[in-house]
Amino acid sequence: DVKVTQSSRYLVKRTGEKVFLECVQDMDHENMFWYRQDPGLGLRLIYFSYDVKMKEKGDIPEGYSVSREKKERFSLILESASTNQTSMYLCASSGLGDPGRRKIPQYFGPGTRLLVL
Amino acid sequence: QQQVKQSPQSLIVQKGGISIINCAYENTAFDYFPWYQQFPGKGPALLIAIRPDVSEKKEGRFTISFNKSAKQFSLHIMDSQPGDSATYFCAAKGPQAGTALIFGKGTTLSVSS
Repeated sequence: DVKVTQSSRYLVKRTGEKVFLECVQDMDHENMFWYRQDPGLGLRLIYFSYDVKMKEKGDIPEGYSVSREKKERFSLILESASTNQTSMYLCASSGLGDPGRRKIPQYFGPGTRLLVL
Repeated sequence: QQQVKQSPQSLIVQKGGISIINCAYENTAFDYFPWYQQFPGKGPALLIAIRPDVSEKKEGRFTISFNKSAKQFSLHIMDSQPGDSATYFCAAKGPQAGTALIFGKGTTLSVSS
């Protein structure tokens, strides 16, 4: 079974703190993703990475950065946490899939619920 | 062009009824359309997916109907059960390797017993 684990299920941080959210996958997947989930807004892509040390901005990258030093690990960094970053953060991973037809699904972790006070 | 529009936002269905959730997209380059199911406190999990070369895919009580000309696809849950109560997300993706799924905003389904 594919497993995507996130370092914390719940986090409480103060405004201005630097926050690290860690994600690890055990399936040797090339692609990894960070989303945030807010009621009524669905899943919004923050950043993704298709290879080690590679990153691409998603729809809402402002206020976030990422790091991928190893294939299995993808970190989301909030440089200076703000209250509007209170949210559920979801990590996902997927393989490359066949060049032709078959798509490989994205597998999600359980999420980290972050509260910024 | 990159959006996926999902409706309704919430849905209440009686046990045994049919639940229908609809999604629409604009980008004709999309070639992969999955549906994800999320229970409270869990991450989304892939439920069923379809490619645009077929009009329907069925897995158990779950069916995706796909209308390429209308750029719409929908999830039908037959004989809905209380255990189906969850949030459902449709998504779409293009063929490029280095791209991510684009998700709809989700539908919260409640199946009453």
